[in-house]
Amino acid sequence: SQQGEEDPQALSIQEGENATMNCSYKTSINNLQWYRQNSGRGLVHLILIRSNEREKHSGRLRVTLDTSKKSSSLLITASRAADTASYFCATDGFRGNQFYFGTGTSLTVIP
Amino acid sequence: DAGVIQSPRHEVTEMGQEVTLRCKPISGHNSLFWYRQTMMRGLELLIYFNNNVPIDDSGMPEDRFSAKMPNASFSTLKIQPSEPRDSAVYFCASSLGQNNEQFFGPGTRLTVL
Repeated sequence: SQQGEEDPQALSIQEGENATMNCSYKTSINNLQWYRQNSGRGLVHLILIRSNEREKHSGRLRVTLDTSKKSSSLLITASRAADTASYFCATDGFRGNQFYFGTGTSLTVIP
Repeated sequence: DAGVIQSPRHEVTEMGQEVTLRCKPISGHNSLFWYRQTMMRGLELLIYFNNNVPIDDSGMPEDRFSAKMPNASFSTLKIQPSEPRDSAVYFCASSLGQNNEQFFGPGTRLTVL
């Protein structure tokens, strides 16, 4: 069964606003990753957060992880039109030998 | 580095034909993953290799699908015989260590008529 589920499925915001996407998962993990996919392209890795970390930053990206709630959030600050893409979270099983991608959040940033 | 290379980029074939998708991982990466992406099912892991050895193939849908990795720089995903429901975008990804950042190829868009 699918491990990660993103919420919302679709999000539309104005350029300059912040975008928040959430990911929930079902079983214990070693790490959680966020990826971006532009239309018609492969996925691009954004950030990895390990199970013993609570927050991580990379440029305009901020990721949080709450292992007690089995959830993560991705915040993109000061969004740009170029941020328009689908965003996926990916989790590994606790044994590290399974990988699951969520269904993705489709983000549209309106110039 | 050229990144993960996949070929062909597009494949149109008729039901019943054999299809072979190819992947060249990033040099030095020791884990390789095959995914399938459709609107209905999203992104599904089909199989992954670690040091050329298949570790988990539980995502391979049926016996019509097979994957090989004869060496560290090449992998194939074969569908024989192909069916219209196999139409999807197939991605190959590689990483250094199976729990680390994965680098995705551009994908192969397969259409089975």
